[in-house]
Amino acid sequence: NAGVTQTPKFQVLKTGQSMTLQCAQDMNHNSMYWYRQDPGMGLRLIYYSASEGTTDKGEVPNGYNVSRLNKREFSLRLESAAPSQTSVYFCASSELQANTGELFFGEGSRLTVL
Amino acid sequence: DQQVKQNSPSLSVQEGRISILNCDYTNSMFDYFLWYKKYPAEGPTFLISISSIKDKNEDGRFTVFLNKSAKHLSLHIVPSQPGDSAVYFCAANRVEYGNKLVFGAGTILRVKS
Repeated sequence: NAGVTQTPKFQVLKTGQSMTLQCAQDMNHNSMYWYRQDPGMGLRLIYYSASEGTTDKGEVPNGYNVSRLNKREFSLRLESAAPSQTSVYFCASSELQANTGELFFGEGSRLTVL
Repeated sequence: DQQVKQNSPSLSVQEGRISILNCDYTNSMFDYFLWYKKYPAEGPTFLISISSIKDKNEDGRFTVFLNKSAKHLSLHIVPSQPGDSAVYFCAANRVEYGNKLVFGAGTILRVKS
């Protein structure tokens, strides 16, 4: 049981380049999330998808787009990367009905923008 | 303005002693509070949670206390073990907004053997 799988684990980009972070979960969860982690800032929500076919902005959506491809997959795209987007990105999933807030996270994708 | 704050960036504790990690919040509408644990190069993992209608929840060596009047919660680890060394994130959730957690900045716990 893989849980939440993110690819790639590491990526270096130049300013202005684009890339897509991929995320897939095998727990049949309805909801999926993208967070970024920065030193001293904790984890901040970029986008989330409450269920297949829906997406919505989180706290820090600027510079990102998402696609909920199907129930399993939720991708995050940087159209024109900026150094401020250097961060560790985490994908997570949960059952929407589990209102306690328990999320299952992937291992993270470390992105550096030069 | 951070709704969830962890004011101690780091904490060092001797093995076998108690570790106390603190968290403050500003929004009285939160329904649940959670603690996540994170090892280097891994994703956060859920540790323990507490509903806003309770003041204590215990799970083995881990106990979370909630003081709603002070908008403060704490995680107690007794006894602390070297394997507990990790970053601990406090998080809060409002049910009506879905599981869109708001996280604190984290506290690095180091348990010395």
